[in-house]
Amino acid sequence: GAGVSQSPSNKVTEKGKDVELRCDPISGHTALYWYRQSLGQGLEFLIYFQGNSAPDKSGLPSDRFSAERTGGSVSTLTIQRTQQEDSAVYLCASSSHAGTSGDTGELFFGEGSRLTVL
Amino acid sequence: QKEVEQNSGPLSVPEGAIASLNCTYSDRVSQSFFWYRQYSGKSPELIMSIYSNGDKEDGRFTAQLNKASQYVSLLIRDSQPSDSATYLCAVLGNTGFQKLVFGTGTRLLVSP
Repeated sequence: GAGVSQSPSNKVTEKGKDVELRCDPISGHTALYWYRQSLGQGLEFLIYFQGNSAPDKSGLPSDRFSAERTGGSVSTLTIQRTQQEDSAVYLCASSSHAGTSGDTGELFFGEGSRLTVL
Repeated sequence: QKEVEQNSGPLSVPEGAIASLNCTYSDRVSQSFFWYRQYSGKSPELIMSIYSNGDKEDGRFTAQLNKASQYVSLLIRDSQPSDSATYLCAVLGNTGFQKLVFGTGTRLLVSP
């Protein structure tokens, strides 16, 4: 597709269940980010993948959160034993930038996955 | 200190006025600066980028950068109600594979 694709767009789950959120970035984009946004709040950085480098996981809020990026393309964010405070919109974004000076830094965002934990 | 700071607002301006949005950053080696706009319920979209000290104009939007003061701003001239949104400042470092860091955003309300 032409843009960043995320699925599911909406997910309602029960507390304690595991969830997987998927992100399909724009083809050829080496950088991929996951952000979380709670209602009325800013973007909370979760994890950053850049090419074949080790991901920057510094934003993951707990060890219940993990993410993978297979083959430098599709990424999956997994939340284990979900809690009510995990309820938020999870945004994925990709970019062609290599994180070096002078690149455009334009991130293309998906429409997000809205997670509701009951 | 947060890496990128913005006043959360809301900033309220009447239609036709100039809206001024401000952002400060902590990493002196940052070289690339961006403004994203996010409408309620939508994903952010890039509206301006700036890399050098001074002003950069694009239509009704002007980005201003002062690296010595670690300050970047966005001016919106002739504000329209359709400009009502949250404006996110983002900063990219200049060493290695630096990630893009966002501020918490300023909510702008333009009243007719």
